[in-house]
Amino acid sequence: DTEVTQTPKHLVMGMTNKKSLKCEQHMGHRAMYWYKQKAKKPPELMFVYSYEKLSINESVPSRFSPECPNSSLLNLHLHALQPEDSALYLCATGATNEKLFFGSGTQLSVL
Amino acid sequence: SQQGEEDPQALSIQEGENATMNCSYKTSINNLQWYRQNSGRGLVHLILIRSNEREKHSGRLRVTLDTSKKSSSLLITASRAADTASYFCALLPGGSYIPTFGRGTSLIVHP
Repeated sequence: DTEVTQTPKHLVMGMTNKKSLKCEQHMGHRAMYWYKQKAKKPPELMFVYSYEKLSINESVPSRFSPECPNSSLLNLHLHALQPEDSALYLCATGATNEKLFFGSGTQLSVL
Repeated sequence: SQQGEEDPQALSIQEGENATMNCSYKTSINNLQWYRQNSGRGLVHLILIRSNEREKHSGRLRVTLDTSKKSSSLLITASRAADTASYFCALLPGGSYIPTFGRGTSLIVHP
């Protein structure tokens, strides 16, 4: 069982839709991460929040908009996505320099 | 590159056999982590080995680290069909708190 909960598990959206991915953790870690993973590829870092502040943005297009409302929640707002954005989106949390705890991911399909 | 390179990319064995996968890297590291991922799911942390450690065990898993050769290996002994998954090494470079993932090894264990 994971202590990082991601919703929804699956999402299908059109290119004109606006949707949000949600991640919740109650592990007390102050760093939270969004990764994107294409099939048969390693996870690629998108964003890092540290103490609810965006600390790393890996040159992600503006159609992806992260938000960290508090230390337990992390959102990823999606708007005007492209079919090539279809992927597994993973949320993770962890203490500095220690292991990461991942959610089960949201499998996103953009039509 | 701060990304680990894993070898082999794919491994197919029979139940009961041992599986060995390797991770090589080029930079100095703080620690190296191994993760497992079942298809379409989140990553699960297996073992973290620090740069001043040479070997760690966890159940049927054994991880070694050779910092002089900049390489690590993950050994799964007496493999089971349930071990079928992708295995990723993740480096924590010195001076960074963000793990970066290697391309992974796809392991298939035949019953």
